[in-house]
Amino acid sequence: EDKVVQSPLSLVVHEGDTVTLNCSYEVTNFRSLLWYKQEKKAPTFLFMLTSSGIEKKSGRLSSILDKKELFSILNITATQTGDSAIYLCAHTGAGGTSYGKLTFGQGTILTVHP
Amino acid sequence: NAGVTQTPKFRVLKTGQSMTLLCAQDMNHEYMYWYRQDPGMGLRLIHYSVGEGTTAKGEVPDGYNVSRLKKQNFLLGLESAAPSQTSVYFCASSSGIGGTGELFFGEGSRLTVL
Repeated sequence: EDKVVQSPLSLVVHEGDTVTLNCSYEVTNFRSLLWYKQEKKAPTFLFMLTSSGIEKKSGRLSSILDKKELFSILNITATQTGDSAIYLCAHTGAGGTSYGKLTFGQGTILTVHP
Repeated sequence: NAGVTQTPKFRVLKTGQSMTLLCAQDMNHEYMYWYRQDPGMGLRLIHYSVGEGTTAKGEVPDGYNVSRLKKQNFLLGLESAAPSQTSVYFCASSSGIGGTGELFFGEGSRLTVL
């Protein structure tokens, strides 16, 4: 069964700290791994990763995928209070019973104190 | 510029009542999804569809039914509501294989079953 596990489940840091969020997955037919940020309402898209070893960056956020070890990390440098949110990892299946299926992990709750 | 629209946004039901949540998207997306979100549980996939007339079960399909008679609409039905179905429900859509993989979410529907 397709599975996504995130760690830690919650994290409390101070502004300026760097954080690393982890996502490991099991999927029958892997297509891509996605990261989302959720504040008050619906999740918003951060990254999609399909190739191993290639880092995606957007400002202070970056993410990388390891398809051999089946995990991804999301790094946030110089954290700000506005980074406080739930960070969700998800993978999509490419074929067989996973075709089109998009499964999320349980999320990491990040709290950044001033 | 509506994107993904969910109705209703709030609903209170008594145990045993039935209801339908409607999701409509105007982006001509192939894939549509229904998720539920409970505290500490991330997003759990209920049912999904990879095209008009198709549906498939997700992680937590029991107690729910869906239909995708038109490409732009994805309906989620509860035939006999139970307190365990109290949750926030999110609909999402994507362009599918070959697209960016990004999910576009509705604003969520908060359902309370008494």
